[in-house]
Amino acid sequence: QKEVEQNSGPLSVPEGAIASLNCTYSDRVSQSFFWYRQYSGKSPELIMSIYSNGDKEDGRFTAQLNKASQYVSLLIRDSQPSDSATYLCAGLYSSASKIIFGSGTRLSIRP
Amino acid sequence: SQTIHQWPATLVQPVGSPLSLECTVEGTSNPNLYWYRQAAGRGLQLLFYSVGIGQISSEVPQNLSASRPQDRQFILSSKKLLLSDSGFYLCAWSPGQVNQPQHFGDGTRLSIL
Repeated sequence: QKEVEQNSGPLSVPEGAIASLNCTYSDRVSQSFFWYRQYSGKSPELIMSIYSNGDKEDGRFTAQLNKASQYVSLLIRDSQPSDSATYLCAGLYSSASKIIFGSGTRLSIRP
Repeated sequence: SQTIHQWPATLVQPVGSPLSLECTVEGTSNPNLYWYRQAAGRGLQLLFYSVGIGQISSEVPQNLSASRPQDRQFILSSKKLLLSDSGFYLCAWSPGQVNQPQHFGDGTRLSIL
């Protein structure tokens, strides 16, 4: 099993709908998780951090962490064309000062 | 506030030539520093990370090396570039405390001819 696993997509969502991005992780990844957005040709930018079980909301974004199922998700409400990007899920490695990234999910918002 | 500078933005090098990419962080002390490579359409591959001056951890054996001569400076080098070294190179930093996310520089797009 990969340490942080994401469906590569593409995920196509109509404008105004909710986009749901999912991520699972292995035992070697600790309980701190991050979502990054990466536009084509650009570097990743941090959009959400989540450290405890449950939901965390920030504007149109909600991150969800379920430790029992080793599952992290990102919901984007009222999806806009500007949300079209690759979303990277990342988790802090348990035994070292590094973050493990998933391979990313490509999201496309269709007008 | 903290900022990270990475240069150059693009670089075209012939096979067999040397490489030096530099990254500096401002506005923080004792950061953790990271070098990643991203091949076209692929995920991030961690190459090196450093938790302090002179402390380098290598993740993938290859013809690249990294150095940290100063607290906020991280350098990626190669003596002889290969075609497979092409890619998007990203430097990142995080605070020295645990559980903190990384923040990326703008990246260097390296093409090997």
